[in-house]
Amino acid sequence: DTGVSQNPRHKITKRGQNVTFRCDPISEHNRLYWYRQTLGQGPEFLTYFQNEAQLEKSRLLSDRFSAERPKGSFSTLEIQRTEQGDSAMYLCASSITGGALFYQGQYFGPGTRLTVT
Amino acid sequence: KQEVTQIPAALSVPEGENLVLNCSFTDSAIYNLQWFRQDPGKGLTSLLLIQSSQREQTSGRLNASLDKSSGRSTLYIAASQPGDSATYLCAVDSGYALNFGKGTSLLVTP
Repeated sequence: DTGVSQNPRHKITKRGQNVTFRCDPISEHNRLYWYRQTLGQGPEFLTYFQNEAQLEKSRLLSDRFSAERPKGSFSTLEIQRTEQGDSAMYLCASSITGGALFYQGQYFGPGTRLTVT
Repeated sequence: KQEVTQIPAALSVPEGENLVLNCSFTDSAIYNLQWFRQDPGKGLTSLLLIQSSQREQTSGRLNASLDKSSGRSTLYIAASQPGDSATYLCAVDSGYALNFGKGTSLLVTP
């Protein structure tokens, strides 16, 4: 168990460019979540997948944000036409399902810090 | 919409003190509550998970309690150490998304 990994750890981009972040969950976890955290705030939920199905995406911040999990393993989060307000830490988490007996909570990766200049 | 509040926002204590961090939430229909630790610029480390049917959980010097009916949880840290300095986040799971408070920033001085 190597934990949740995210790449890159830091990304600096110019306004208007597209960026893509990758998340690799804990191998036996079937749920994968994306959150955004700005300075001084708690993480804010964006979207989640169960296996390859995206079950909730209404809280993605705008239509410039999209996420995929094509084979039910790793996931990508893409932001198109970045704006300075997109600067934040993007966090990925994973968990298992199966009821209270098996659920152990969400495990978070180290995050990708995005700076839009 | 679930609102989560953490009090105090910041706390500074000398090493060795016992301390309590508070978390309150507005909707008692929760699945579980999770406490996390976050070091500056880092991801979140899970400390304790309390299922909705449980009243408390313990791990080492940490003890978390849950009172669903009053919408409150507390994290008790015994015999605090400088290495405990971090931001502590409370998160309420109402189905799939975690709803977080803004955290309590803890500084333990030697």
